[in-house]
Amino acid sequence: GAGVSQSPSNKVTEKGKDVELRCDPISGHTALYWYRQRLGQGLEFLIYFQGNSAPDKSGLPSDRFSAERTGESVSTLTIQRTQQEDSAVYLCASSMGLVSYNEQFFGPGTRLTVL
Amino acid sequence: RKEVEQDPGPFNVPEGATVAFNCTYSNSASQSFFWYRQDCRKEPKLLMSVYSSGNEDGRFTAQLNRASQYISLLIRDSKLSDSATYLCVVNDYGGSQGNLIFGKGTKLSVKP
Repeated sequence: GAGVSQSPSNKVTEKGKDVELRCDPISGHTALYWYRQRLGQGLEFLIYFQGNSAPDKSGLPSDRFSAERTGESVSTLTIQRTQQEDSAVYLCASSMGLVSYNEQFFGPGTRLTVL
Repeated sequence: RKEVEQDPGPFNVPEGATVAFNCTYSNSASQSFFWYRQDCRKEPKLLMSVYSSGNEDGRFTAQLNRASQYISLLIRDSKLSDSATYLCVVNDYGGSQGNLIFGKGTKLSVKP
């Protein structure tokens, strides 16, 4: 079956512009996660959704970052007024639910470069 | 703040070698443990779950020590294709990160 998909796969933008990243989770997966991974670094947790709700937004790096999810399906991560330090790979993952043994399946990521 | 700590490496080993990675976690309430593998410029993928009694999958053996809050991964007869970063993952019991916390990974490079 189809895995997690993300678009665009690559995004180059100028400093100060807004960008929107999209994630399509595996059908039926109620939990969805966003992570950021800078070059050569580990995964940085940003936010998760259970259904369409994000219980805790404290992982978002700044108020320039926001995320939403609709229809318990597609999620978008929006970065306003991008800065060079936002350059990273943004990974989305989904799982069947928040039960601890549920495997997270990752998408291929969106590579964001801010010039 | 709940943490998962790993030696970043790199571990450089010859083909056929046995190599072991360790990981410690801070949340004593954690109940589920995993090793994920991430190839260069790729997304992480589940390698294996870690069970209390220890478990083996081919050349890979995972062990859990709850008393010491310590997880290990042993790879026997290393192959060139084992070169990757290995992420130690622990469930975030009672926390705010959804279900899992990922370590920063241990890099393995297997040389001919």
